[in-house]
This record gives sequence, structure tokens and C-alpha cells, in this order.
Amino acid sequence: DSGVTQTPKHLITATGQRVTLRCSPRSGDLSVYWYQQSLDQGLQFLIQYYNGEERAKGNILERFSAQQFPDLHSELNLSSLELGDSALYFCASSPRGHPGYEQYFGPGTRLTVT
Amino acid sequence: TQLLEQSPQFLSIQEGENLTVYCNSSSVFSSLQWYRQEPGEGPVLLVTVVTGGEVKKLKRLTFQFGDARKDSSLHITAAQPGDTGLYLCAGAETGTASKLTFGTGTRLQVTL
Repeated sequence: DSGVTQTPKHLITATGQRVTLRCSPRSGDLSVYWYQQSLDQGLQFLIQYYNGEERAKGNILERFSAQQFPDLHSELNLSSLELGDSALYFCASSPRGHPGYEQYFGPGTRLTVT
Repeated sequence: TQLLEQSPQFLSIQEGENLTVYCNSSSVFSSLQWYRQEPGEGPVLLVTVVTGGEVKKLKRLTFQFGDARKDSSLHITAAQPGDTGLYLCAGAETGTASKLTFGTGTRLQVTL
């Protein structure tokens, strides 16, 4: 158990819909990272927040957005969902701001868009 | 976009055999991490290497960072079924707005 929690574990929704994925980092960790893992693209970095502020952006679509709240939990919002958005979404937390330090991954949310 | 190519992509071996997984890039990284991921779970960090030429050992696993910090290898001695999983290398760029780029992955299966 990494100490990082993600909800929900599974999510099935239809194209065009909007969903919110939630992540609670390990106690004391200030950084939250979001990743997307699909069979054809592997594990792709989406976005990082550090102590409430956006720190780095990866291949995140404009239909996707995220935020980190004062209690450090984070949410990833996915809108106008397409079939290709079906994937595993992981969040990871770290005590530091640079991604080169240890990251602790949650169990992931499996999103299926039908 | 920095790319990290791993080889081999798949590896099926018997218990007791040795193996090496390679992680190669044309880019220089400030550090490189190795993760293992099991089905339905998130990746778990195995090691972080920072210095060019650095070698780290974790029981039967030996990790090496290339001298130029562009490549890395993972060697497993006397593989066991518990080593089965997806092995991912990940390189960190320099700078404050950097990101972790994951490799293409090596799926290892160790059978009895």
C-alpha cells in the first residue's frame, strides 16, 4: 500500500460525458502527478501540481483539467469523453517538487468510455 | 519529446535464469528510475540512479546508469516467479518544470 488513494476504482460512462477522478496523496506529500496509461501509448505524464499550484504540464488534452485543493487532494476532470480516453489513470504523490525524486503511485482508476 | 526505448519488449524465462533489460535514449537525464508494475496496480519504485556510471543493487537486481546518463540497464540474477511483472524505466529532465518520461516497458514472465 503506497498510501495514495484514488476513487473511484472503476468508471464506465458514455461518450460526450464528463467525469471527475479523485486522488488523495500520502500524508505530507506536496506534489501530485497525474498519468494516463493505455495499451498503445504506455504511461504518459499529464500534469503536476505542487502545493496547490500547477508545476508542469505534459500531454494533457484541452478537454482535461485538474486542480489541487488546500488540503492537497487533487481532482482530474475529463470532459467531452471519447472512446480513446478509455485508459487507466494514475495519480502519484511525492514529498518534493522535482519529478526525479521518488513518486508513490495510487492503485489507479480504470475509465471505460462506451 | 524525449523517448525512452526499452528492450526487450517481452521476456519469458524459467526460474533460475539471468536476464538484462535495457533502457535507451538519445537525451540526457538528471536521474533515472526503475519501476515494477503488476496487473491492476500502480507502478512501484525500485530504485533511483543519479550519477553517471552509478551501480545500485537491490537483492538480486542490479541497476546501472550509463556514463553519459542517457541509458540504463536492469540485471536480474536467478529470476523467480515473484519477479514477474512490467518493468518501466523513467527519466527525469532537469529544471523546475520538468517531467518524468516513462519507457516503453518490458513485460517479464518467470515460470517454474
